Amino acid sequence: EEQLVESGGGLVKPGGSLRLSCAASGFSFNYYSMHWVRQAPGKGLEWVSAISPTGHHLYYADSVRGRFTISRDNPETSLFLHMIGLRAEDSAVYYCARPGDGSETALDLWGQGTVVTVSS
Amino acid sequence: QSVLPQSPSASGTPGQRVTIFCSGSSSNIGRNPVHWYQQLPRTAPKLLIFSNDRRPSGVPDRFSGSKSGSSASLAILGLQSEDEAVYFCAAWDDTLEVLVFGTGTEVTVL
Repeated sequence: EEQLVESGGGLVKPGGSLRLSCAASGFSFNYYSMHWVRQAPGKGLEWVSAISPTGHHLYYADSVRGRFTISRDNPETSLFLHMIGLRAEDSAVYYCARPGDGSETALDLWGQGTVVTVSS
Repeated sequence: QSVLPQSPSASGTPGQRVTIFCSGSSSNIGRNPVHWYQQLPRTAPKLLIFSNDRRPSGVPDRFSGSKSGSSASLAILGLQSEDEAVYFCAAWDDTLEVLVFGTGTEVTVL
């Protein structure tokens, strides 16, 4: 079964840091680009970042560029999001997601999400 | 354009047709395929339509997508109670190099 499982969320003070992980299983992880998408409480979806299959190409939303770093470990089939300088507005459920075979940007496999709360 | 405008809500009675619209620009919808997601309460989003009008395996054929120029729409034919959800469009933006999501449309079955 294809699966994505996020972990690493939690409560952190403003200015703090967190490292989110996403464990992938059931598919050829190194074949796909991977994405992080977040959703603040009661709000819509916001794309955060993406990484190419080899990890050579990285993409970021303006709201996180310079503070968040996406990375991957293909042998370990894991995706990461290292977040520093966290702000209250970064509080959200963070999902990792994988595109399907039909399109590089159509995300057809999602994890259950991990909650990040930034508060003093 | 960092977000794609959608009307905030839509509603219909069971069996009716509901159409949701998504407005973009030449750098996103005008140039790239549009995808649609359904999000039920307290669950992760689910891909409903990809590449403008294609349905993933398992998605009922009462859901259909279309694109014209820099706008797109999602139609739900024969609305059912389990279709109550929030629907988001999305497209890659070539200028910003980001994936842009719509603001979301909450569909209510009356």
